[in-house]
Amino acid sequence: AQTVTQSQPEMSVQEAETVTLSCTYDTSESDYYLFWYKQPPSRQMILVIRQEAYKQQNATENRFSVNFQKAAKSFSLKISDSQLGDAAMYFCAYRSPLPYKYIFGTGTRLKVLA
Amino acid sequence: SAVISQKPSRDICQRGTSLTIQCQVDSQVTMMFWYRQQPGQSLTLIATANQGSEATYESGFVIDKFPISRPNLTFSTLTVSNMSPEDSSIYLCSARPQAETQYFGPGTRLLVL
Repeated sequence: AQTVTQSQPEMSVQEAETVTLSCTYDTSESDYYLFWYKQPPSRQMILVIRQEAYKQQNATENRFSVNFQKAAKSFSLKISDSQLGDAAMYFCAYRSPLPYKYIFGTGTRLKVLA
Repeated sequence: SAVISQKPSRDICQRGTSLTIQCQVDSQVTMMFWYRQQPGQSLTLIATANQGSEATYESGFVIDKFPISRPNLTFSTLTVSNMSPEDSSIYLCSARPQAETQYFGPGTRLLVL
């Protein structure tokens, strides 16, 4: 069965510093997608970044980047120059090939300290 | 991408009553989804709603409790029926305009007294 594990229930980072959130997953598939979603307190869940498994290059979106290690089934999110607005719950998600089933991790709550 | 809105954003209901949550997407999508999220927890898929067919429910969720409508390619409703305090949760609508990425509505916060 496919699973997604986020082993860090909570993380803290100083403003302007860098933090890395961990995610591991288990699948026997080779073609899939991975995502990081951000859910600020009482606000909408938004897509932060996505990675296609067949692409070797790590995805980057401004201050957000991933370290995708396919063999190790690891997909960590790095947030550089952390800002107060980055404080949120972060969910790692896996999307299987057809029927495109999504599996979410349990989330990591990120606190940004001023 | 997709912009998704939900109504109501929150509600407080009495046990035994029903609440219908509406979800509107700004573009036509084949697949829409309903999730439940307990505060501070991950997402649990309730059902998949495809236009023109019956919704597909996940294990532990039944149509009598969570009837879903999908009248067209931009709209869906989820009804939480005969509510109990255990139904207090956040209900999220989601849509997949492209095969690879899901987008989420802002959620409906439900409190059942």
